[in-house]
Amino acid sequence: GAGVSQSPSNKVTEKGKDVELRCDPISGHTALYWYRQSLGQGLEFLIYFQGNSAPDKSGLPSDRFSAERTGGSVSTLTIQRTQQEDSAVYLCASSFSASPNEQFFGPGTRLTVL
Amino acid sequence: AQSVTQLDSQVPVFEEAPVELRCNYSSSVSVYLFWYVQYPNQGLQLLLKYLSGSTLVKGINGFEAEFNKSQTSFHLRKPSVHISDTAEYFCAVRSGGSYIPTFGRGTSLIVHP
Repeated sequence: GAGVSQSPSNKVTEKGKDVELRCDPISGHTALYWYRQSLGQGLEFLIYFQGNSAPDKSGLPSDRFSAERTGGSVSTLTIQRTQQEDSAVYLCASSFSASPNEQFFGPGTRLTVL
Repeated sequence: AQSVTQLDSQVPVFEEAPVELRCNYSSSVSVYLFWYVQYPNQGLQLLLKYLSGSTLVKGINGFEAEFNKSQTSFHLRKPSVHISDTAEYFCAVRSGGSYIPTFGRGTSLIVHP
């Protein structure tokens, strides 16, 4: 079946602009995660959605970052007033539930802020 | 909070040689342990996982890992590597009371011919 998809694959933007990154999880997966991957920094957790529960936003680095998940499926990560330090690969992952199953990752969106 | 340490940022090795990628985590009563692989320009893919039971876990592509509770380690091994194993490898740990895995910084495995 189809895996996790993300769009766009690459995004170049100017400092100060807003960007939206999209994630389509695997159908039926109730849990969805956003991570940021910077060079040499590993994966930094940003936000977690589980079903209809309130999201865990504890990893969002500033109030410029927000995310939503509509209808328990597609998710959008929005970064307002982008800064150069926001440049990174943004990865989305989904899993069947909050139980200790594997996470299925999308290919990521590479964001470059000029 | 859980922390995960991958001691080696880069591991160069010749083809057909054995390799061990190290992972240590901070102590927790119960943990679930994972190794993921990331090929260039791709997302992460699960190699293997430890949830319970036997401490020696076998995964895809000939990799295996051993859970050592006393040393809080989950090292990844392969007896003979191939050029195609060149990739970034991430160790991840999820504590029993958390829904969010913590990832290490990754180890770049570079296999030379």
